[in-house]
Amino acid sequence: EPEVTQTPSHQVTQMGQEVILRCVPISNHLYFYWYRQILGQKVEFLVSFYNNEISEKSEIFDDQFSVERPDGSNFTLKIRSTKLEDSAMYFCASSPLLMNQQPQHFGDGTRLSIL
Amino acid sequence: DQQVKQNSPSLSVQEGRISILNCDYTNSMFDYFLWYKKYPAEGPTFLISISSIKDKNEDGRFTVFLNKSAKHLSLHIVPSQPGDSAVYFCAASARSGGGADGLTFGKGTHLIIQP
Repeated sequence: EPEVTQTPSHQVTQMGQEVILRCVPISNHLYFYWYRQILGQKVEFLVSFYNNEISEKSEIFDDQFSVERPDGSNFTLKIRSTKLEDSAMYFCASSPLLMNQQPQHFGDGTRLSIL
Repeated sequence: DQQVKQNSPSLSVQEGRISILNCDYTNSMFDYFLWYKKYPAEGPTFLISISSIKDKNEDGRFTVFLNKSAKHLSLHIVPSQPGDSAVYFCAASARSGGGADGLTFGKGTHLIIQP
């Protein structure tokens, strides 16, 4: 069964550094998402992406964050000047078609640790 | 601001019995509801969903019930199996002008199936 893949599984970064988290969505999917889960808290929506532009973003997704689909397969989340509170699991998700309310399928996440 | 609430952090059920996981929501704009299952170190795995135009959806051992007037949904697992032991997340979305809507998650319920 096709799946969403995320790399790396664990990223350790010094505070203030930039980090790029990578995702390969399911190949025929059209909508892409990033979520995060801080330890002990809920999974929170960050941003959705469709047709090479941001479709929706939450209050969390401020100017520190950006997303990009640099080629036909990858979908990336960049965090500039990381802060301690950015430490979390970051999940990528994709879905095939919006019209019929298709479910989002998640990758296994990247654990981001900011030191 | 808990728009999706799962009030039971954990639930213990004997193998072979029915597991019932509950979820309440406050946002009347939600029109699509999903249940995800999550094992440690993995991403959420889609289980079953329901549109607000329905009140029941069944898939094998899993049935989701939606009571719109009470803003309540539940997931029934019958019969419960040891492999069902995981954290279960309720999630919801609201269609907003055709955008790729982010999911709002509950905090999760840790289901433990006892032999």
